This record gives sequence, structure tokens and C-alpha cells, in this order.
Amino acid sequence: ETGVTQTPRHLVMGMTNKKSLKCEQHLGHNAMYWYKQSAKKPLELMFVYNFKEQTENNSVPSRFSPECPNSSHLFLHLHTLQPEDSALYLCASSRQDGRLAGGSTDTQYFGPGTRLTVL
Amino acid sequence: AQSVTQPDIHITVSEGASLELRCNYSYGATPYLFWYVQSPGQGLQLLLKYFSGDTLVQGIKGFEAEFKRSQSSFNLRKPSVHWSDAAEYFCAVGDYGGSQGNLIFGKGTKLSVKP
Repeated sequence: ETGVTQTPRHLVMGMTNKKSLKCEQHLGHNAMYWYKQSAKKPLELMFVYNFKEQTENNSVPSRFSPECPNSSHLFLHLHTLQPEDSALYLCASSRQDGRLAGGSTDTQYFGPGTRLTVL
Repeated sequence: AQSVTQPDIHITVSEGASLELRCNYSYGATPYLFWYVQSPGQGLQLLLKYFSGDTLVQGIKGFEAEFKRSQSSFNLRKPSVHWSDAAEYFCAVGDYGGSQGNLIFGKGTKLSVKP
């Protein structure tokens, strides 16, 4: 699946480092999402952007800072992370934010994820 | 609150055998339901979705799922499993009117396939 790409695929960082995750979608979509996938827990929605505007922040700690410069690109800036932040971070996109479309049937397409390890 | 339950954490089936993965949801309105598959090291790929109409939904890779409102279930089935089906499967409900975000996922069921 090349519709949604994520870089890097793997990242190891110390708790004092600053790093960024990148997501790019080539599907012409207008909504983009960040999810966190931890072992033995359901996927957790972190952020939603619709037409570059943030429409959802699911009580995410401020050490995670998203940025959406345009509808095709989404970043997740990381700083002073904790070991419990180690997880697979998945990006997804859809035509638009389903909630704002009154319950549209837009499907989310996922990228391969970035495996993050915080030491 | 809306939720999705996948009761089986891990299932092992023999290649060629039939498969059924269970999914139960809790949702007040008519749900939008999805099944995704995740191969090791990969993102999630949509297998099928149900929005309305025929309660038996056909998906990719020979999978199908049946929506049963009376049982609040959306079980995934395949008549004959292939070794390449070994992966983790996630059921999700679209919470478009609520505050939990667009998709609520179950914890997943890991499928192993014996030769």
C-alpha cells in the first residue's frame, strides 16, 4: 500500500531528544489522523486534522505536537518523551473527517507506521 | 460509552479450515462497522465495511462478515484459510456522532495458521 507513507519506519530516541514523525498521503484526501498502537491495547486516536485544521485532540500530552501544513502532509513532533510512549504510531487519511460530514461513510486508509522506542 | 469487543485474543486454525472471528459492539445508533487486517510490520488494511443494506458483506481476500443487530455482532468469516492470512485482525465501529473519535477499535485477534 503506497497511498499513505510514513517515515521513518523505526526510531529510537532518548527521553531528552526531539524528533519528528512524517506522514504523507497521495490519495487526494482532506482528513489525516494520528493513532497510537501499544501492545495489548486498542488503537488510540490521538489527533485529527480536516482541511489542515485540527478537529480532534484526544487528551494527548503536550510532549506530542502535531503539525499539518497541508492536506497531504502530517507531522508529529516529539520531545521529552517517556518510555511508556514507546509504541507503533500510525497515520491514516480519509476524504474528510467523518464526524464533520454528518456521519459520512469515509474509509480511513492507514500507513505502515513508525515503530518508536524511547530509552 | 461506545465500545468494541473481540473476545478471542489469539486463534490458531489449520490451512484450508474455515475461520470465524468474533466482534461485538456497543453503540446506540445504527453502526458503521469495519474489519481491518494488520500484517507484521505493516499498517492496517481495510478488509470490508458495513454501512447499511445487505447484512452480509463481501470483502477482499475472500472474507465476508455478517451484521446481526439483535446480537450486536459483526463476525468475520472465511471458508478456507490460507497461510498468508496469518495476521492480526481488528474490528472497529465508526463513532461519527460521539466524542471518542472517528473509529473505535477492538483490541484485535491474532490469527495463526498451521500448515
